[in-house]
Formats: sequence, C-alpha cells, structure tokens
Amino acid sequence: GQQLNQSPQSMFIQEGEDVSMNCTSSSIFNTWLWYKQDPGEGPVLLIALYKAGELTSNGRLTAQFGITRKDSFLNISASIPSDVGIYFCAGQDNYGQNFVFGPGTRLSVLP
Amino acid sequence: EPEVTQTPSHQVTQMGQEVILRCVPISNHLYFYWYRQILGQKVEFLVSFYNNEISEKSEIFDDQFSVERPDGSNFTLKIRSTKLEDSAMYFCASSTGTTNTGELFFGEGSRLTVL
Repeated sequence: GQQLNQSPQSMFIQEGEDVSMNCTSSSIFNTWLWYKQDPGEGPVLLIALYKAGELTSNGRLTAQFGITRKDSFLNISASIPSDVGIYFCAGQDNYGQNFVFGPGTRLSVLP
Repeated sequence: EPEVTQTPSHQVTQMGQEVILRCVPISNHLYFYWYRQILGQKVEFLVSFYNNEISEKSEIFDDQFSVERPDGSNFTLKIRSTKLEDSAMYFCASSTGTTNTGELFFGEGSRLTVL
C-alpha cells in the first residue's frame, strides 16, 4: 500500500531556531495535510495543501506541496517551547478518500 | 468552532468483551473515518464511511470491527471481541469529502485498554 516517510524522525533544537522537516512518498498525492499531536490528544490540523508547488503559511509555519506531488515540507520559524510535539504529514490521492499518515517527526525545543 | 467529539475518553475492558466507541462528526461533513494509534506509533487508517456505507477499509479492519451511523449525528466503532493488541487510541475524524479542498479533522480520541 501507499506509505509516507518523514525525516528527521526526531530533532532537538534551541528555542528561537528555525525547523525544517519533510515528507516523501513513492506515489503521487493530490492533497497534503500537516498535523501536530500533543501527548494524549488528537492530531490538530496545521496546514492543508492542494496544488503542486503551493506554498502556504499559518503564522510561523510554512508548508509547500512538492512539484513532483511526491513530497512536502514544513518549516517552523523562531521555535518556541509550545512547538514541542509530534508532527505528522498525511496524503490523499484521487482514488479514495483515505488519508495515509507518515510516521511523524518528534520535535523537542530546548530553552 | 465546530469539532469532532468522542466518547468515552478512556475505556478499560476485559479481553473478549465487546466495546463501542462513539463519535459525533462535524455536522456538515460527509465522510467519516476511524483511525488507530498504538502508543508511540503512527496513526493508522481503519475505515472510511460515506453515504451510510463503508467506502474503504484497511487490513486491520477485520470481521471483529464494524461501524454504524445509527442516527443523523453519531458514528460508532464496535469491536466485537477485544484482543490485547486492540489496546490503542482510537480517533474519529470527519471531512467534507471534496477532493482537493477537503480537510480532515480529528476528535480527541478514545483510549482503549484491553486487559
């Protein structure tokens, strides 16, 4: 079946630093979603992308839909302690309504 | 802001018992989903539901699982005879379902512990 890979698996950064993480797939997706999950809670939608090449921002977050439609990245600028959590990408193709999730990137922000 | 709500937040059950997890999707959404997340692992798709029937299901969603929309607002996941490996967080999600503009919104999850 379809699988997504995310890198890095985990990262430790200093407060104030910028963060970049990405998501890749062997198959084409037509929608990319980025989520943040805090412990014991449900994933919260951060950014949705619908067109190849699309660049979308939400506050300090910026995400792009790769031109090949097989990847996407998420950047966080000027990280703060509450950015700590697991970031998941999810992709959807045109053949079904299922969203496939990546394994997540665990972000730790050091004060 | 509209949200997906789930009950119970936590359920502990004995192996072999039946469990029903409940969800109220966002009211104008048309597609409903159940996902599962075993502790420390990724979110796994179980099933999607549209127009009162299953539209897709994964290999995890075997004969022990069933879904139902018993009325106009609730969407339920039933596990007929729970196994130890069913212990996980179960997330309900809903979407407008429109390709290329649809967003998937999750509930807070129901933690199932099978003893």
